[in-house]
Amino acid sequence: QLQLQESGPGLVKPSETLSLSCTVSGGSISSSTYYWGWIRQPPGKGLEWIGTIYYTGTTYYNPSLKSRVTMSVDTSKNQFSLKVSSVTAADTAVYYCARQGLYNYDYDYWGQGTLVTVSS
Amino acid sequence: QSALTQPPSASGSPGQSVTISCTGTSSDVGGYNYVSWYQQHPGKAPKLMIYEVNKRPSGVPDRFSGSKSGNTASLTVSGLQAEDEADYYCSSYAGHNNLFGTGTKVTVL
Repeated sequence: QLQLQESGPGLVKPSETLSLSCTVSGGSISSSTYYWGWIRQPPGKGLEWIGTIYYTGTTYYNPSLKSRVTMSVDTSKNQFSLKVSSVTAADTAVYYCARQGLYNYDYDYWGQGTLVTVSS
Repeated sequence: QSALTQPPSASGSPGQSVTISCTGTSSDVGGYNYVSWYQQHPGKAPKLMIYEVNKRPSGVPDRFSGSKSGNTASLTVSGLQAEDEADYYCSSYAGHNNLFGTGTKVTVL
């Protein structure tokens, strides 16, 4: 059974960089038939796509976040990561990592999510 | 890019049906048959319920069905059960972008 687990600091100061990792177990991140993605959800609000990465390192980002977002993949650790720079209170959210189908773009496996609060 | 539009709420009595709409544009919902639907209970991660407009993953009851007409996709939950009370989000591929809907809270009366 595939499992995804987010990890990283739960509190980040304004203007600093938010950094999260997602560890994949029960399957290979180097699978040729899946992307890996980050989605966030501010408290009490809806889902927002952040970006997607392929195991080769190819990335696609939400245009509204593109200038502040960097995603990377470490196949040796079966992990992928997210960095969001210059954070503000508006970046406070539950951050989810998820597996995305290469051909149908749905998210079929999700991590449990991790709350990141931006506050001084 | 704007979020896909969903009604904020929908409700029905046990055994009844409820349909949720998801409106986009010809650049997303109308342009691709890659619409998916997610169910989210409070404090939990979203769960895939429908993919490619009308396909159900293994384990999802056949009470859940999806369809699309033009720029609007729909999710129908038939034979409502108490455990169907949750938030529902649509999502659409939009050319290497992914859009989510605004979300609909379904209440079982």
